Amino acid sequence: DTAVSQTPKYLVTQMGNDKSIKCEQNLGHDTMYWYKQDSKKFLKIMFSYNNKELIINETVPNRFSPKSPDKAHLNLHINSLELGDSAVYFCASRGTTTSYEQYFGPGTRLTVT
Amino acid sequence: ELKVEQNPLFLSMQEGKNYTIYCNYSTTSDRLYWYRQDPGKSLESLFVLLSNGAVKQEGRLMASLDTKARLSTLHITAAVHDLSATYFCAVTNSNSGYALNFGKGTSLLVTP
Repeated sequence: DTAVSQTPKYLVTQMGNDKSIKCEQNLGHDTMYWYKQDSKKFLKIMFSYNNKELIINETVPNRFSPKSPDKAHLNLHINSLELGDSAVYFCASRGTTTSYEQYFGPGTRLTVT
Repeated sequence: ELKVEQNPLFLSMQEGKNYTIYCNYSTTSDRLYWYRQDPGKSLESLFVLLSNGAVKQEGRLMASLDTKARLSTLHITAAVHDLSATYFCAVTNSNSGYALNFGKGTSLLVTP
């Protein structure tokens, strides 16, 4: 069983469209994250949710809206897509063990044309 | 804001050689992580270092942590081609909700 899954794996869309990426974890973790990896491979935190509540919202345009229907799911909705949104988006989750280790999903490669 | 600097950013080394990747961070961190990423793939956790002087080893990789110097190292011993990947260090603390602050990554290429 996949611990952290994301759909879709690839997403190609045009500027101005709205799209969503879904994330699910079956690890029983309370905390989930969205990270963005740009074309230079730099990884940056976007959002963090704990038990369905937003706890971190980094300086991300408000066109990005995370939604957590339950603690096993954290979806990312993006409005009015721009060329600069092209990146790989990773979902991650972590438990409450001492290490606070995070487990990453396979990533969603978003290409905006 | 937690800042993380890795060096080198690119590393080409011959099989059988040893090398060290360095990771400096700017402020107190609760934990330090090393991840590996293969091209087109996700991030794989390699090591979690929790305390000053921590040392962990797995195969040809050994990671250490010096919290006083705010420095972690990832040492590669007798490199083999299979180690070619990008290696990221990341730090976290409670102020950031334990979100990971990543370095820019070190792209390692091991050649025959």
